[in-house]
Order: sequence, then structure tokens, then C-alpha cells
Amino acid sequence: EAGVAQSPRYKIIEKRQSVAFWCNPISGHATLYWYQQILGQGPKLLIQFQNNGVVDDSQLPKDRFSAERLKGVDSTLKIQPAKLEDSAVYLCASSLRRQGPDTQYFGPGTRLTVL
Amino acid sequence: AQSVAQPEDQVNVAEGNPLTVKCTYSVSGNPYLFWYVQYPNRGLQFLLKYITGDNLVKGSYGFEAEFNKSQTSFHLKKPSALVSDSALYFCAVRDFYFNKFYFGSGTKLNVKP
Repeated sequence: EAGVAQSPRYKIIEKRQSVAFWCNPISGHATLYWYQQILGQGPKLLIQFQNNGVVDDSQLPKDRFSAERLKGVDSTLKIQPAKLEDSAVYLCASSLRRQGPDTQYFGPGTRLTVL
Repeated sequence: AQSVAQPEDQVNVAEGNPLTVKCTYSVSGNPYLFWYVQYPNRGLQFLLKYITGDNLVKGSYGFEAEFNKSQTSFHLKKPSALVSDSALYFCAVRDFYFNKFYFGSGTKLNVKP
């Protein structure tokens, strides 16, 4: 079974530039999550999709971050414009269902450096 | 408020010795509890989870975890540590009512030869 795919693996940009990350979840997984992991901290949920609908985006900085999952499969997370404090690893995860004890499976992450 | 605490930033253990990585939680209702491991420049890998039933859960790579409801703890254990176990370990809890996932801040495990 193929895992969660993410690209790019690394990205370096200057502040005020824009950047986009892509995620392809495990086939058949209805729920997709984007997390931000700042160095030395645990992952923080940014947004959660159930199929192509947003379930939870309460911690997404909506003035600069956006995400979509148009066809209910792969997803894109965008930052525009980037700030220095956005430097982090952005992790995508998926699970079969939104509720219950379903395990989340994580991709390798995208390490973003904002200069 | 829902939360997960990993009280130790770092745990050092000699190879062959038993290891314990601590985790306590605060969540509404019955929790679903998870342990993940993260190697450098890698995503999080699932180790094990507790749903219900037996308080001792066995997972990947010889790891196990003990759920203690009275102490609201879910400590990760391994009888004999390997150098290759050195990594960052995260405890997570899924809230039963709101289905939100909360991660601890992580514990760095150093296993020395």
C-alpha cells in the first residue's frame, strides 16, 4: 500500500513570497489533515478535510493560508505572503474516516524555510 | 481543556536497558491514545494505539504502552532498547466527542551503545 505522498520535500523562499505544498493521501482515505510542526514542538493541526469539505480550520491563519481538496483526493496548502514565523515542517496525514480510533498516517513532510 | 503532556524533553538510556517515555493526557470522555515516532527528516510513523480493552498495548518494533485510566497516563515502554530506537517520540490523543487530535511536544530518546 502506497503511503501519503508530499512535494516538494524542501522549499526555501523569501518573506512575502508565496508557496504551495501538495499532498496525495492513501487511496481510499476520506479524511485529510494538514499540520504545521515548528522545530521543537509537536504537530499543530491547521486544517482537516472530510472528502472535499472542510471539517476544521479553526487554527488556520486564514489571512495568509489557504487549502483546498477539490476532488476529494489530493490537496494543496498555500501560504501567501509568507512570514519568517512560517518556517516549519508542513505535514500531511490521512485516515480512513474522520471519527473513531482511525490511525492517521503521515507523509514525509515539506520543510519550509522563510528568509 | 484537552491536552497531552510529555514531561520529559529528553530520555537517555543505555542499549539493552528498558526504556520508558512518559505521557499524560486530559480529554473529555474515553480517549483514543496513540504513539508515533519521528526520525530526522521523516514524517511521523505510527507505533501503536489504545482504543479499549487490555490496558497493555503491543505495537511495532517491540514497543508497548500501558494505559492507566486513574493516572490518565499512556507511557511507552520497551524491555530492551536499541541504538536504532533513538528518535523523537510523540504521544497523541483523539478526543472522543469532538474528534480532534492533540499531540504532545515530543520526547527525544537517546540510546547509547
